[in-house]
Amino acid sequence: DTAVSQTPKYLVTQMGNDKSIKCEQNLGHDTMYWYKQDSKKFLKIMFSYNNKELIINETVPNRFSPKSPDKAHLNLHINSLELGDSAVYFCASSSRETSTDTQYFGPGTRLTVL
Amino acid sequence: DQQVKQNSPSLSVQEGRISILNCDYTNSMFDYFLWYKKYPAEGPTFLISISSIKDKNEDGRFTVFLNKSAKHLSLHIVPSQPGDSAVYFCAASAYGTDKLIFGTGTRLQVFP
Repeated sequence: DTAVSQTPKYLVTQMGNDKSIKCEQNLGHDTMYWYKQDSKKFLKIMFSYNNKELIINETVPNRFSPKSPDKAHLNLHINSLELGDSAVYFCASSSRETSTDTQYFGPGTRLTVL
Repeated sequence: DQQVKQNSPSLSVQEGRISILNCDYTNSMFDYFLWYKKYPAEGPTFLISISSIKDKNEDGRFTVFLNKSAKHLSLHIVPSQPGDSAVYFCAASAYGTDKLIFGTGTRLQVFP
């Protein structure tokens, strides 16, 4: 009965590769987010989607491309990975019908770029 | 520019006593505040929230206090339990912005 799930949990890859992280929520929410937690533990929003439409793009390099095939999924594709992309990436979701601001997070994907 | 600050990176409290975690913010447009708890290798878990129209919200052992004039909020845990040991993040949002701004977290350790 996982609410927000992400795959994979760990991802180790070489610089220059392209990789994807998948996120799914079964809460019936209409808004989904990607956050990045860097080595200093800052948790910062990257993107948000509402009903498959991009709402927020926080000046993230265009090597990062989110894709939302439906309301329950928000995937993150990263091209030409760089060392600085190493971080933990969290997916989250919320519902505008109740409260946009209470967001529920997935377990995170730890990305290591070598 | 860190709009949400948690100035204490760590806090150690004895089991059964009160834990008080503090958070300050600078943006007067914030109108909704949340506390999340995070265990290692897991995502943040929503704990409790408060709207700017209130100054207190209570849920079991957890109480959040909001002082708008001081732009300060705090989370009280009474009584503290060893299972409360985790990193606690304060977060804030402004109406209609759809995004949470997080503090840097406070690591709480509750010892027997």
